[in-house]
Amino acid sequence: LAKTTQPISMDSYEGQEVNITCSHNNIATNDYITWYQQFPSQGPRFIIQGYKTKVTNEVASLFIPADRKSSTLSLPRVSLSDTAVYYCLVGDWGTGGFKTIFGAGTRLFVKA
Amino acid sequence: GAGVSQTPSNKVTEKGKYVELRCDPISGHTALYWYRQSLGQGPEFLIYFQGTGAADDSGLPNDRFFAVRPEGSVSTLKIQRTERGDSAVYLCASSFRPSPPHNEQFFGPGTRLTVL
Repeated sequence: LAKTTQPISMDSYEGQEVNITCSHNNIATNDYITWYQQFPSQGPRFIIQGYKTKVTNEVASLFIPADRKSSTLSLPRVSLSDTAVYYCLVGDWGTGGFKTIFGAGTRLFVKA
Repeated sequence: GAGVSQTPSNKVTEKGKYVELRCDPISGHTALYWYRQSLGQGPEFLIYFQGTGAADDSGLPNDRFFAVRPEGSVSTLKIQRTERGDSAVYLCASSFRPSPPHNEQFFGPGTRLTVL
């Protein structure tokens, strides 16, 4: 499984766009990039998944450059309720094994 | 049910006792995962089931931990001779498929285990 590196913490203000970058230099050809969000006292929740270029859904966008060695989760116009831990995961969960590694994640704190 | 459920929500036990934690996955999800999470840490993978079989149990810390999924739906995580270090939140997740794309895992609320 590809090792990921992401910032330990980030601060932002309500209404701003937040970009969290994850590095995964040894990403394999079949690996996908998946992001989860976790609030205190809850299990993680899936946000977005992508393989290359750009993926957008109703809550976030995921930007993946051509070399796929990093990815950026973009949260538009954050609110206080976006304060959470965000995890970047990389893997194919098949030929590469089924182990899911969350790491420590990025603690995002949104201020009023 | 609409989501993954776990029982009990809280479990307090004494060192050396045996505990069972239950997970009810989303109906139709063949993939089921167990994790444990300590305060301030990300979820730590324990075991993955595809159907009834444990396809990857590489995360189980030692032979005191065991999990079953006899009919391919409900799963039970069993911990023998509990130790204080086993105290954590135990999370269960299920997914329709294990491999991407569209292999998002849906998590339950967790069971908080406290070993005194």
